[in-house]
Amino acid sequence: SQKIEQNSEALNIQEGKTATLTCNYTNYSPAYLQWYRQDPGRGPVFLLLIRENEKEKRKERLKVTFDTTLKQSLFHITASQPADSATYLCALDVGGYNKLIFGAGTRLAVHP
Amino acid sequence: GAVVSQHPSWVICKSGTSVKIECRSLDFQATTMFWYRQFPKQSLMLMATSNEGSKATYEQGVEKDKFLINHASLTLSTLTVTSAHPEDSSFYICSASPGQGTHSNQPQHFGDGTRLSIL
Repeated sequence: SQKIEQNSEALNIQEGKTATLTCNYTNYSPAYLQWYRQDPGRGPVFLLLIRENEKEKRKERLKVTFDTTLKQSLFHITASQPADSATYLCALDVGGYNKLIFGAGTRLAVHP
Repeated sequence: GAVVSQHPSWVICKSGTSVKIECRSLDFQATTMFWYRQFPKQSLMLMATSNEGSKATYEQGVEKDKFLINHASLTLSTLTVTSAHPEDSSFYICSASPGQGTHSNQPQHFGDGTRLSIL
């Protein structure tokens, strides 16, 4: 069955450092992968989308890589700030009509 | 742009009650909307795909008679949890995207969720 794995352990980093979150998947070949941010008690907010033929995508302090051979995506936040503290979810398309399956998310805590 | 509104944000009711949750796309039309549920510290689990003007498509293991979905217009989908029981308590979230299509790969825009507590 399709499986998405994100590090279930919380990631604690110091303000100003780069946070790197990992998303691994098995038994699937997605055409694209998305990253979302979710704050407690809120719905997810879209951050970045990367297609299978793209190696890297950037948006301000965010960078996403997509390695279809390793079946892995890395999500980086540079110059992290306490306001970046949240849970970050990766999601894969499962074919047509924008149907997505989500990983469980990694909680990031950025300390001053 | 691309705002999705969900109502109510919080519901507490007695066991056996039916609860309706609304999901509206405020500034775009959505032929397809998605309903998820999320337990604490767990992933969003897709429950069903809501299709405007036709029947919803349910994921394996989701009871269609328990979770009734109606998508009567291009801006509104509703999820009704019928005869709710404590095990139905969860965080329910909807999403939608403008420009849905067979090969569309648009970001999903989510509502802020409905926390349902059944006593």
